[in-house]
Amino acid sequence: DAGVTQSPTHLIKTRGQQVTLRCSPKSGHDTVSWYQQALGQGPQFIFQYYEEEERQRGNFPDRFSGHQFPNYSSELNVNALLLGDSALYLCASSRTRGRVSSGGSADTQYFGPGTRLTVL
Amino acid sequence: AQSVAQPEDQVNVAEGNPLTVKCTYSVSGNPYLFWYVQYPNRGLQFLLKYITGDNLVKGSYGFEAEFNKSQTSFHLKKPSALVSDSALYFCAVRAQRGSQGNLIFGKGTKLSVKP
Repeated sequence: DAGVTQSPTHLIKTRGQQVTLRCSPKSGHDTVSWYQQALGQGPQFIFQYYEEEERQRGNFPDRFSGHQFPNYSSELNVNALLLGDSALYLCASSRTRGRVSSGGSADTQYFGPGTRLTVL
Repeated sequence: AQSVAQPEDQVNVAEGNPLTVKCTYSVSGNPYLFWYVQYPNRGLQFLLKYITGDNLVKGSYGFEAEFNKSQTSFHLKKPSALVSDSALYFCAVRAQRGSQGNLIFGKGTKLSVKP
């Protein structure tokens, strides 16, 4: 059973460029969340996708956008890259549909290995 | 606003000794609480979570955590530390209501276990 996978592992871009990061969720999961982890910090929530729609969004500018495909995989796009966008980008998957408890937000999020983005 | 505090940047423990990594939280209403571990250049691995019920939660690799509502704490513990437990530990919280996806993380605590 494959866990959460992310590609690429590492990426180097220059300021002003655009980048696309990819995530495949754990088998049986239908929800994907994206986090940004700056060096020495805890992960910061970017947004979550469910049923191919953005369900919740953190405090990130519109330069950060995403997409979820019918197979539940997801992409994170960042436009007009800034030096401050350099970070580890983490994808997490979880299950929303068919959850047993009514407290769906108790579902555990399982993280991928991350994509290390360096902006020069 | 929801928040998590991990007051110690680093915890040093000798192998075989008990370890505690501290976490306090602030959330409206009842919380869901999580602990994750991160090894160098890796993603986060889930250790355990508190939803409801017994205040002592047991998780992976012999770790456990105690939920204390009056002190709004969720400290991670292990009776006997291993060198291989050395890693970065993150506490996270989510409100039970009105927060479908948003995990709030602490800044992390580096655990160092010496032989």
